[in-house]
Amino acid sequence: GEDVEQSLFLSVREGDSSVINCTYTDSSSTYLYWYKQEPGAGLQLLTYIFSNMDMKQDQRLTVLLNKKDKHLSLRIADTQTGDSAIYFCAESMADKLIFGTGTRLQVFP
Amino acid sequence: IAGITQAPTSQILAAGRRMTLRCTQDMRHNAMYWYRQDLGLGLRLIHYSNTAGTTGKGEVPDGYSVSRANTDDFPLTLASAVPSQTSVYFCASSEQVGDYGYTFGSGTRLTVV
Repeated sequence: GEDVEQSLFLSVREGDSSVINCTYTDSSSTYLYWYKQEPGAGLQLLTYIFSNMDMKQDQRLTVLLNKKDKHLSLRIADTQTGDSAIYFCAESMADKLIFGTGTRLQVFP
Repeated sequence: IAGITQAPTSQILAAGRRMTLRCTQDMRHNAMYWYRQDLGLGLRLIHYSNTAGTTGKGEVPDGYSVSRANTDDFPLTLASAVPSQTSVYFCASSEQVGDYGYTFGSGTRLTVV
C-alpha cells in the first residue's frame, strides 16, 4: 500500500514557530494537502499546494514542497495555544485522498 | 448549517451484532467517503462512492459494506462487529471526484466489546 509518513508528536512553546513534516510516495500527486483536526471534531482543510509549486504562504502558514525528495512541510509562525491539534498531510491518488498518520501538535505557555 | 451529519455520535456494541453508521450531507456533493481513524495509523479509507448508485472499495473494506441509493445518504454497515473494528469513523464528501476539498463529519466513536 501507499504510505504517507509523519512524526506522531511535536511540542512547541507559544510564540515559537512549528514545523510539521511529511513524506509521501506518489510523485504523480497533483495536489498535496494539510488538514487540521481539533479535539473531538472532524478534519478541516487547512491549506493545499499544487504539485508544480515549491512554496505557498497563507497568513501564518507556509507550505514547502520538495518534489525530488517527496517531502512536504507545514510551518506555523507565532504558534498559539489554539493551534494545538492533530495535523494530517494527504496526497491525492487515484481520485482519492491518502492521509498520513497525523502529527499531534502541543503548544505550551 | 450545510455540512455532514453523522449518527450516532458514539456507540458501544457487542461483538457479533450488526450496526449501521449513518451519514447524511446537504451540500449535494457527488462523492462520499468513509474513513476510520486509529492511533498511529491515521485515516484509512474503507469505502467510497463517486456518485449515487456506485460504490468502491478502499484500503480496508473487509467487514464493512456501503450503499448509495441517493446523493445525500451514505450508510456504513458492519454485518457482524468484531473488536478490531473499534475505531472512530468519519464520513466525508467532495463536490466531484478529483475535488479534494473534503468536508468531514464530526465522527462516530464505536467500541466493540
